[in-house]
Amino acid sequence: DIVMTQSPDSLAVSLGERATINCKSSQSVLYSSNNKNYLAWYQQRPGQPPKLLIYWPSTRESGVPDRFSGSGSGTDFTLTISSLQSEDVAVYYCQQYYSTPYTFGQGTKLEI
Amino acid sequence: QVQLQESGPGLVKPSETLSLTCTVSGGSISNYYWNWIRQPAGKGLEWIGRISSSGSTNYNPSLKTRVTMSVDTSKNQFSLKLSSVTAADTAVYYCARLRLAVADPFDYWGQGTLVTVSS
Repeated sequence: DIVMTQSPDSLAVSLGERATINCKSSQSVLYSSNNKNYLAWYQQRPGQPPKLLIYWPSTRESGVPDRFSGSGSGTDFTLTISSLQSEDVAVYYCQQYYSTPYTFGQGTKLEI
Repeated sequence: QVQLQESGPGLVKPSETLSLTCTVSGGSISNYYWNWIRQPAGKGLEWIGRISSSGSTNYNPSLKTRVTMSVDTSKNQFSLKLSSVTAADTAVYYCARLRLAVADPFDYWGQGTLVTVSS
C-alpha cells in the first residue's frame, strides 16, 4: 500500500494569512507514461463528508475558490490557501489514486 | 446534480453482517465506478472497495475476506456487505463516485451513515 503522510497534523492561521499543508507519499504517484500525478486534496468540515478540492494535483474542482491551489510531483505535494477565510476551518486530506488500495493521509486540522 | 444516499441499520451485533445500500439520484449509475469508504469517529478515511456498473469489484486487501459489493442498475443502487463485524468496524460509512475512471478522485459523496457494532 502507498502510505500518505501529511504535515503538520494541525495548523492555526490568522484570517487573511496563508496556510500550507504538505503531503508525502511512500512511493511516487507520478505515472511516467502520461506525466500525471495521481494525487487529490479534500476538505472535510465538521459533520460533513469530504469534498473534492483539487486533483492532478493542481486542477481545482468546479466551484472551488481560487485561493486554493495545489502543487508538487512525485512524492511531495502541497496544498496552499492563499488568504484564509473563516469557512476554511476544516480537516484537509490528501489521497492517492495511483493504485489500489486508494489511501488517504491522516488529515490536517486547520483552525483560525 | 448527482446525489448519493446511504441507508441501512445503524446498529449491528458483533459477528453479524453489516449491510448498507447507496442510492444514486440525479444521474445514472452506468459507466461509473462506485465506492465505499469509512471513517471511525475522530479518525481518518479508509477505502473499503469499489464496484463498476457492470459488477466488477476491487476490494481493499485488509478487508477483502469480509467484503462483498453488488450493484443493481435497475434501481440505481449499489450495496455493501461486511461480515463478522467487531467493534473496530464502528464508523461512518460513505458511498462515493470515482470522477470518470478507476484512476480518478472521488467527486461525489453521500452524507454518510453511522454504523455502530455493539451487542
